[in-house]
Amino acid sequence: QSALTQPPSASGSPGQSVTISCTGTSSDVGGYNYVSWFQKHPGKAPKLMIYEVSRRPSGVPARFSGSKSGNTASLTVAGLQAEDEADYYCSSFAGGFTLVFGGGTKLTVL
Amino acid sequence: QVQLVQSGAEVKKPGASVKVSCKASGYTFTTYGISWVRQAPGQGLEWMGWISANTGHTGFAQQLQGRVSLTTDTSTSTAYMELRSLTSDDTAVYYCARGTNYGDSKYWGQGTLVTVSS
Repeated sequence: QSALTQPPSASGSPGQSVTISCTGTSSDVGGYNYVSWFQKHPGKAPKLMIYEVSRRPSGVPARFSGSKSGNTASLTVAGLQAEDEADYYCSSFAGGFTLVFGGGTKLTVL
Repeated sequence: QVQLVQSGAEVKKPGASVKVSCKASGYTFTTYGISWVRQAPGQGLEWMGWISANTGHTGFAQQLQGRVSLTTDTSTSTAYMELRSLTSDDTAVYYCARGTNYGDSKYWGQGTLVTVSS
C-alpha cells in the first residue's frame, strides 16, 4: 500500500479553475471506480467532496467535479472562491477492505 | 442527524496503548462501517483501517497491522480503535468516519488528539 501521488501545491485566482491530480496504480485508482476527494481545513474534520470518482454528496457545490483516466484521478474546482483554500486529499479503494490516501495538495487562492 | 462523538484527548507514554471510542447516533449503526484516519502534526491524512459494523470484517493499513485493533459494540452504537506499542510517531489527531469500505465517508467525528510523550 503506497500512498497515492498528489502535487504538494496548487493555486489559482478567484473565478479561475484549478485541477488537482492523484496518481496511483492499477491496484488502486486504475482498478476501481472508488476514488474519493476530501477537503481539509486546519483544525476541522475532513469533508467529503467527491466519491466514486465523480459523484458529489448533497450540499457540495457543483463547482467541484471529479474524473479519472487510467491510474490518475483528478479534482477540478471551477470558479475558485476564497473559502476553497484548503488541503485536498484523494483516497482510493485498494482491494479487500483497504483504502489508501494521497499525500495531500495545498490549494491556495491568490 | 448523523453524529459521531469521539472520546477526549489522551496523553500516553511510549510503549503504552490507547483506546479511542466513537459513539454514533442518528442512523442504524449496523448499516455502515467505520473508518479510522489519523493526521500527525504537519502531516497528511493516513488511513488506518475500517470495520463493518454489521459483520465485523476489518481491513488495516499494512504499516499498522499487528498494532491496531478495531471493534464495535452494537448495543451502544460505539466503535473503538486500540493502538498498541505507542511511539512518538503515533502522536496525531485520530478521526472516525462513517462509510463503506470504498471510502465514501461523509460523516466524521470531531477528532481525538493522542499525544505520546515520556
